[in-house]
Amino acid sequence: QVHLQESGPGLVKPSETLSLTCNVSGDSIITQRYYWGWIRQPPGRELEWIGSIHFSGSTYYNPSLKTRVTISVDTSTNQFSLRLSSVTAADTAVYYCARLFVEGVVVVAATSWGQGTLVTVSS
Amino acid sequence: EIVMTQSPATLSVSPGERATLSCRASQSVSSNLAWYQQKRGQAPRLLIYGASTRATGIPVRFSGSGSGTEFTLTISSLQSEDFAVYYCQHYNNWPPALTFGGGTKVEIK
Repeated sequence: QVHLQESGPGLVKPSETLSLTCNVSGDSIITQRYYWGWIRQPPGRELEWIGSIHFSGSTYYNPSLKTRVTISVDTSTNQFSLRLSSVTAADTAVYYCARLFVEGVVVVAATSWGQGTLVTVSS
Repeated sequence: EIVMTQSPATLSVSPGERATLSCRASQSVSSNLAWYQQKRGQAPRLLIYGASTRATGIPVRFSGSGSGTEFTLTISSLQSEDFAVYYCQHYNNWPPALTFGGGTKVEIK
């Protein structure tokens, strides 16, 4: 059974870069069946897709965050990472990493999630 | 940009009763629609995809319907563990993108 675990700082200063890593265990990140993604949820608010990555390195980002987001994958460690630059208080959220299943070429939905990690942007 | 709108924001239901949740897309999304359940302090759980296909292990009391712009999640007989927030999510054919609705909280009446 796949297990995903986010790690990274829980506090980031405004204008700095948020960096998180998702460790995947119980499944190889090298698979055609899944994409890997980041989804966030500000306190008390709805979910927001940040972006998705294929093990080959193909990435797709939310247009509203595209200029600030980089998602990368490290197949040697079975991990993928998120970097979000120039953060503000509006980026305070629980950040989830997730495994996204694919039907054909369509990335459908997140079937497995990490427990989530709260990142607070504050000086 | 497709916008997903859920209604009502809060639904008060007694245990054993039926709950009907709505999700509307700002333009047709065919059947590219998923539903999740999120309990307080937990990650979401996938319930439905393809508008009406239950995910693995999801009880039959959860059913999804609709296509185009109007979708419904029905919980036929609410159990105590079903009180939670439910989100709909559109998935784009290409390029890959996910768009979530604002959520419906199902609370005990």
